[in-house]
Amino acid sequence: DTEVTQTPKHLVMGMTNKKSLKCEQHMGHRAMYWYKQKAKKPPELMFVYSYEKLSINESVPSRFSPECPNSSLLNLHLHALQPEDSALYLCASSQDEEFTDTQYFGPGTRLTVL
Amino acid sequence: EDKVVQSPLSLVVHEGDTVTLNCSYEVTNFRSLLWYKQEKKAPTFLFMLTSSGIEKKSGRLSSILDKKELFSILNITATQTGDSAVYLCVRGSARQLTFGSGTQLTVLP
Repeated sequence: DTEVTQTPKHLVMGMTNKKSLKCEQHMGHRAMYWYKQKAKKPPELMFVYSYEKLSINESVPSRFSPECPNSSLLNLHLHALQPEDSALYLCASSQDEEFTDTQYFGPGTRLTVL
Repeated sequence: EDKVVQSPLSLVVHEGDTVTLNCSYEVTNFRSLLWYKQEKKAPTFLFMLTSSGIEKKSGRLSSILDKKELFSILNITATQTGDSAVYLCVRGSARQLTFGSGTQLTVLP
């Protein structure tokens, strides 16, 4: 199984809502990543988890809250988002943080904030 | 500065044409050079290049790395409309991927 899955595929939320994005992999990877991608731009790294611990937080606003409940799951909790947070959110995983260049990407969640 | 620069930014060709996409990168912490294809969703992996001068091929796509001049090219021969996508060049190092801005390729029938 070389797949990273993400749910939901699409999400529309208001600025006062609380929602969560989910990511799952069963490849035994110990590093997992969240990226944000705006239209016509490359992905921007948000967070890296290594062995279920937060390793990198790229100065992301606190309205985005990551969580890694176990080695297969990665969540991104969303609260009080702004319309400019609308984007494609990509999850990825790699064997571990030292093998960042062999990341497998999930299909993404397309988020729209109204 | 930690940059990956791709050219051209966009390209429009007709089916059957051959295209060459360019990528130059900074050498800092270099370990690999990756090419991805992105349509409307997640990037899909095409190639990883680590050695200079060795061409990698997959069907009509091929890529090569020049570590002396710090660039890579991605060639697509006999283009098809299904090749229309953004092609991302990515520099890989331990613990970090640095993305180029991508080349938007449009193949017209």
